[in-house]
Amino acid sequence: AQSVTQPDIHITVSEGASLELRCNYSYGATPYLFWYVQSPGQGLQLLLKYFSGDTLVQGIKGFEAEFKRSQSSFNLRKPSVHWSDAAEYFCAVGVRQAGTALIFGKGTTLSVSS
Amino acid sequence: DTAVSQTPKYLVTQMGNDKSIKCEQNLGHDTMYWYKQDSKKFLKIMFSYNNKELIINETVPNRFSPKSPDKAHLNLHINSLELGDSAVYFCASSQDWGGRGYVPDTQYFGPGTRLTVL
Repeated sequence: AQSVTQPDIHITVSEGASLELRCNYSYGATPYLFWYVQSPGQGLQLLLKYFSGDTLVQGIKGFEAEFKRSQSSFNLRKPSVHWSDAAEYFCAVGVRQAGTALIFGKGTTLSVSS
Repeated sequence: DTAVSQTPKYLVTQMGNDKSIKCEQNLGHDTMYWYKQDSKKFLKIMFSYNNKELIINETVPNRFSPKSPDKAHLNLHINSLELGDSAVYFCASSQDWGGRGYVPDTQYFGPGTRLTVL
């Protein structure tokens, strides 16, 4: 069965430091991978997605993610974190079947310290 | 010009009541979804509709019934509310997956409805 694992429940990073959020997926075919961000009390906003092609994907707000098929990973990175990046981050896989609902990981809470 | 909107944003009600949450999208998308986010922030698909046709119906109590009057709207009716129904419910929409060879497309989410059952 398809699944997404985000091993880190909560991460704290100093403002200006680099960030990497981990995501591992389990899916038998070509994965369609997404990162979403949820600010407190808000809906989910797409940061970036990977469908095919270049394995390094650029997104909004200075985020990027790298798809590594051999490791079944799609880690999210940002070189310099801003206080406004504090939020909940969700990795998701889109499955190629009827309805194509997203399967989400359990999320990583990012706190930014000054 | 909100892309996906939901009403109400907050809903507080008593056990046993019946309530509805409305969702509208102005993106021209063909597929709409309902997700439930529990107290641990885990998101899980409940239903998806494509062109007013039910596509996904996950293991959800039959007290929950989606209704799609047209492809821009997907409402969620909940009968006989229980304490365990307390959660945040998100509506989402995406472009027609079928017309693109079943490649899942970006889903756009509404702001959520926080349901509290007392």
